[in-house]
Amino acid sequence: EVQLVESGGGLVQPGGSLRLSCAASGFTFDDYAMHWVRQAPGKGLEWISGISWNSGSIGYADSVKGRFTISRDDAKNSLYLQMNSLRVEDTAFYYCAKDADGDWWWSWFDPWGQGTLVTVSS
Amino acid sequence: QSALTQPASVSGSPGQSITISCTGTSSDVGSYKYVSWYQQHPGKAPKLMIYEVSNRPSGVSNRFSGSKSGNTASLTISGLQAEDEADYYCSSYTSSSTPYVFGTGTKVTVL
Repeated sequence: EVQLVESGGGLVQPGGSLRLSCAASGFTFDDYAMHWVRQAPGKGLEWISGISWNSGSIGYADSVKGRFTISRDDAKNSLYLQMNSLRVEDTAFYYCAKDADGDWWWSWFDPWGQGTLVTVSS
Repeated sequence: QSALTQPASVSGSPGQSITISCTGTSSDVGSYKYVSWYQQHPGKAPKLMIYEVSNRPSGVSNRFSGSKSGNTASLTISGLQAEDEADYYCSSYTSSSTPYVFGTGTKVTVL
């Protein structure tokens, strides 16, 4: 069974940094692209980043470009999201999701982890 | 990149069929077959229900079906059941600088 477990969320002040992790199991992690999608409390979904199977191609939403960095460690079956210069509007549940293929474009998200909450507040 | 437009709410009685629309533009829904639909129950992670406009993943009930015409995609739930009560989101790949866009979300209520 494919399983994705996020961690690393918490309370951080505006301008601060946080690193999220996503531990993957149940599939050959280094064969697949991965994504981060977020959801502000009570709001809709927003794709924020994707990374290809070999980290050779990475994409970001305009809203996080230059502030967030996606990465992966295939030896640890883990996906990461380094978030810098955090803003109040970055407050959300952050989900990692598996791609259907090795490239992050032209695809869909299945399955999703349970999410980790990031709260940016002073 | 603006979110795809979905109705805020749709309701139906058990056994009925409902359809949720997802309207985009020629830069997203109208140009790509990479339209997918997700079901989200309160406090839970989203679950893939439809991919590539009309394909159902293994394990998803055949009561769920998808289609697309022009810039509008649709999700139909037939034989509505109480367990179908949830939020539903569409998503599409886009040619914009943010490559994926989600819909505004639709709350489905089973009367």
